Amino acid sequence: EPEVTQTPSHQVTQMGQEVILRCVPISNHLYFYWYRQILGQKVEFLVSFYNNEISEKSEIFDDQFSVERPDGSNFTLKIRSTKLEDSAMYFCASSGSEKLFFGSGTQLSVL
Amino acid sequence: QQPVQSPQAVILREGEDAVINCSSSKALYSVHWYRQKHGEAPVFLMILLKGGEQKGHDKISASFNEKKQQSSLYLTASQLSYSGTYFCGTPEGGSGNTGKLIFGQGTTLQVKP
Repeated sequence: EPEVTQTPSHQVTQMGQEVILRCVPISNHLYFYWYRQILGQKVEFLVSFYNNEISEKSEIFDDQFSVERPDGSNFTLKIRSTKLEDSAMYFCASSGSEKLFFGSGTQLSVL
Repeated sequence: QQPVQSPQAVILREGEDAVINCSSSKALYSVHWYRQKHGEAPVFLMILLKGGEQKGHDKISASFNEKKQQSSLYLTASQLSYSGTYFCGTPEGGSGNTGKLIFGQGTTLQVKP
């Protein structure tokens, strides 16, 4: 079965640094998402992306965050000036209809 | 507003049944169910799109009561592989854009031999 791939699987960064999380969605999907999950908590929506633009974003997704689809296959989440509370598992997801396919996640640790 | 799941945790023996409930204070147009094993990504189980709809997947089924604004997930004759955290998700803002899911807090299911 096709899958969503995310890199890196783990990312450790210093507070204030910028990180870029990468995702390769399933090739024929048109809708892309980022979710995050703080340890032991629920999965939270960050942003959805369709037709090369953000379609919806949550309150969490402030000016610190940005998304891009730079080359038609990768889908990236950039976090500028990371904070301690950004530490979480970040999941990319894609869909062709209602069903979401999640990647295996990037565990971000901000020290 | 996020859906509320109950119970928070369930411990079962293999072969026993369990029910996980998901309720919302807002009107529900659809309910999604996902399972997440420890350290892994959530995996889609099923979507219920109409009030009263019931679906099944192996020995896991679900119902959706639109009037009561709730859905229930039924795990019958549980297997060790059923262990994990189950999340219900509802699309914010109605039936459109089902990718923006608001998830419940999760129900942790542990099946013991």
